[in-house]
Amino acid sequence: DTGVSQNPRHKITKRGQNVTFRCDPISEHNRLYWYRQTLGQGPEFLTYFQNEAQLEKSRLLSDRFSAERPKGSFSTLEIQRTEQGDSAMYLCASSTTGELFFGEGSRLTVL
Amino acid sequence: AQSVAQPEDQVKVAEGNPLTVKCTYSVSGNPYLFWYVQYPNRGLQFLLKYITGDNLVKGSYGFEAEFNKSQTSFHLKKPSALVSDSALYFCAVRDDDYKLSFGAGTTVTVRA
Repeated sequence: DTGVSQNPRHKITKRGQNVTFRCDPISEHNRLYWYRQTLGQGPEFLTYFQNEAQLEKSRLLSDRFSAERPKGSFSTLEIQRTEQGDSAMYLCASSTTGELFFGEGSRLTVL
Repeated sequence: AQSVAQPEDQVKVAEGNPLTVKCTYSVSGNPYLFWYVQYPNRGLQFLLKYITGDNLVKGSYGFEAEFNKSQTSFHLKKPSALVSDSALYFCAVRDDDYKLSFGAGTTVTVRA
């Protein structure tokens, strides 16, 4: 499968713990995006990379959130000191200059 | 700022009937519009896009969308709906940095 891959698909954690999600984009795609989707809502933009450079971060991305794309390939999204409000589906997408191709998402549940 | 609106939370149709999912947009400059579909607990799948050219855009799974500049709309259509088309549909607009802004989504239910 050469699509966008996200791991883990599901993560249950206790409030205050740190979690990390990984995204492997389609290999030739230089742009990588992170979105967050809560139940009943459309995806909300968090941040994006062009190659290894993080070009924009949304105001939704608090100081507890950090994203990296160290070699311009895979990306990680870390959430520190998780809160119940962080419970959501975290979606990764990649593209060149056309449409975004999304992964299956990583669902986070914070207890 | 670029934005889209989906005025209907839900659309219900009988199988075999036409399906329309509405979307209106607000942009400064040329609109770049997209439709995506999401099945339960899955990611988003690309259906079609309008960048420029013909106002009627054909996409995957028999879907098409009509771009109407005067009404600032980009409605998704399918002439004959299937039960398997039941899903959550999102309209989106792309900005100059190639980011997408999504609408709130429309749940489509096709009854047999």
